[in-house]
Amino acid sequence: DVKVTQSSRYLVKRTGEKVFLECVQDMDHENMFWYRQDPGLGLRLIYFSYDVKMKEKGDIPEGYSVSREKKERFSLILESASTNQTSMYLCASSLNAGSGYTFGSGTRLTVV
Amino acid sequence: RKEVEQDPGPFNVPEGATVAFNCTYSNSASQSFFWYRQDCRKEPKLLMSVYSSGNEDGRFTAQLNRASQYISLLIRDSKLSDSATYLCVVLSGNTPLVFGKGTRLSVIA
Repeated sequence: DVKVTQSSRYLVKRTGEKVFLECVQDMDHENMFWYRQDPGLGLRLIYFSYDVKMKEKGDIPEGYSVSREKKERFSLILESASTNQTSMYLCASSLNAGSGYTFGSGTRLTVV
Repeated sequence: RKEVEQDPGPFNVPEGATVAFNCTYSNSASQSFFWYRQDCRKEPKLLMSVYSSGNEDGRFTAQLNRASQYISLLIRDSKLSDSATYLCVVLSGNTPLVFGKGTRLSVIA
């Protein structure tokens, strides 16, 4: 089975801190994605990547950046954390454009 | 218009009941469709793909109506363990999957 691993299950950070959320997948998938999920808003796409060194903005990229230096790793960066970035962050990967996604178990980030 | 719309529920049904969820999508060029299941405080997991001819997996049946742009999920003989949120998911072109906000199901003993 494909495994998508997110480095932290729970994180608490202070406003203004730079935050790194790490995601690693072990099945040589081309595509990786970062979503956030909030009550009543569903899953919203932040950034995605279809190849190493490649990144594309999703629907809500403001306040975030990403890094994909290696195929298996896709990092989400909060440049200066704010309280409205308190959320559940979910990383996903897929083999190709037409296949379903496998999600990591999520990181619940609280910014205080 | 939202790309993928679902009735948020909750649907509260007794064990053994049959329940159906519908989902509508706005992009007529969409080519792939999925149902995901998400348990409380867990990540979404792929339940089943939806094929044009309809498909069945045990107690679960998925249907696609391209003319009306809707997808359905039917669960027969509901179990307590079916309680979860069901997400309708659509793929259009080479863009990332678009997720509906989900329909919450509670199966009651």
